Amino acid sequence: DVKVTQSSRYLVKRTGEKVFLECVQDMDHENMFWYRQDPGLGLRLIYFSYDVKMKEKGDIPEGYSVSREKKERFSLILESASTNQTSMYLCASSFGVGRNTGELFFGEGSRLTVL
Amino acid sequence: AQRVTQPEKLLSVFKGAPVELKCNYSYSGSPELFWYVQYSRQRLQLLLRHISRESIKGFTADLNKGETSFHLKKPFAQEEDSAMYYCAIAGGTSYGKLTFGQGTILTVHP
Repeated sequence: DVKVTQSSRYLVKRTGEKVFLECVQDMDHENMFWYRQDPGLGLRLIYFSYDVKMKEKGDIPEGYSVSREKKERFSLILESASTNQTSMYLCASSFGVGRNTGELFFGEGSRLTVL
Repeated sequence: AQRVTQPEKLLSVFKGAPVELKCNYSYSGSPELFWYVQYSRQRLQLLLRHISRESIKGFTADLNKGETSFHLKKPFAQEEDSAMYYCAIAGGTSYGKLTFGQGTILTVHP
């Protein structure tokens, strides 16, 4: 059974703090994604990675960076958190080219509140 | 650029009534379309994909290229269908990247 685990379910941070959101998957997936989920806006892609040390900007990368040092781990970094980054963050993974079916496997989400 | 629009934020029906969740897309090539569902306190998960032409939990969705739509339908809604539903599109060689719509919250009343 595919498991995508996000390290923190709930975080409260102050404006200007550096924030790390961690995601680990155990299915040897090549692709990993970070989305943010906001009411009325749906899911918006922040960054994705299709291989170790590779990263691509999504639709809303501003204010975020990512790190993928190992295949199973994909980290989202907020260098200086701002109140408009208060949101639910979803990590997802999937197979790479050649094995990809379009199915993303999601984590439970990390709800970040920036005060 | 690919885009997905779900015009209804909220949809309420009574148990046993038909339900249709609307999804329209824009993409110049041949799209792959999906419906994802998130039940209360559960992870977002795949419900169905157009290429499989399958019925999952009584739901079906037909890709209409002429109307660029991929509406999700069920003839008789059940209370357990209450959830958030997202339509999503994958286009081109984008490493499996999906673009999601705004989502529709479906509530099925007893």
